Amino acid sequence: DAKTTQPTSMDCAEGRAANLPCNHSTISGNEYVYWYRQIHSQGPQYIIHGLKNNETNEMASLIITEDRKSSTLILPHATLRDTAVYYCIVRVSPRRNRDDKIIFGKGTRLHILP
Amino acid sequence: GAVVSQHPSWVICKSGTSVKIECRSLDFQATTMFWYRQFPKQSLMLMATSNEGSKATYEQGVEKDKFLINHASLTLSTLTVTSAHPEDSSFYICSARLRTGVGQPQHFGDGTRLSIL
Repeated sequence: DAKTTQPTSMDCAEGRAANLPCNHSTISGNEYVYWYRQIHSQGPQYIIHGLKNNETNEMASLIITEDRKSSTLILPHATLRDTAVYYCIVRVSPRRNRDDKIIFGKGTRLHILP
Repeated sequence: GAVVSQHPSWVICKSGTSVKIECRSLDFQATTMFWYRQFPKQSLMLMATSNEGSKATYEQGVEKDKFLINHASLTLSTLTVTSAHPEDSSFYICSARLRTGVGQPQHFGDGTRLSIL
């Protein structure tokens, strides 16, 4: 799976949009971009994923650049409960590869400031 | 949405005892489940891949005789930490994904905090 690079930490004011970047310059054509977050002392929570089109759900939006070498997770109106470590992960669709284990990097520690 | 349940949430036991942790997919069938371990202020580290009806695949450096994995059904995988010692104290997390569907994400349990005295 392609490696990802994320900033170590970020701050965002409550109520503002939080934009979390991720670089994945070695991504290949059949690899998806997944975002998870881990709130302190809990298991990771799935947020969103995409292949090449931008995606939006009730939690966030995912913007993937046209060359797919980077992406941005957007939390439109951040709240204090969004304080967590956010992980950007790139991997092959599990339908094509049964061995779809996730290797976690260090992620971005997002602090939402009151 | 898909839910993965872990039990127990936390456990404290004496050194030398064995501890079993259960991971259940509550509303879907999971051919494959994964077990992770997380030490304080560190990221999750994959320990093993649990495959229904076959032997687990362990990551390099993880002792298979120490961490016994059983995946007897499509909704249950168990991790047994045998003869646990204080260095095995950690946060253990499992994950599972739906059997079918392109791009399906993994879903994680809420973890089990294990403390060995």
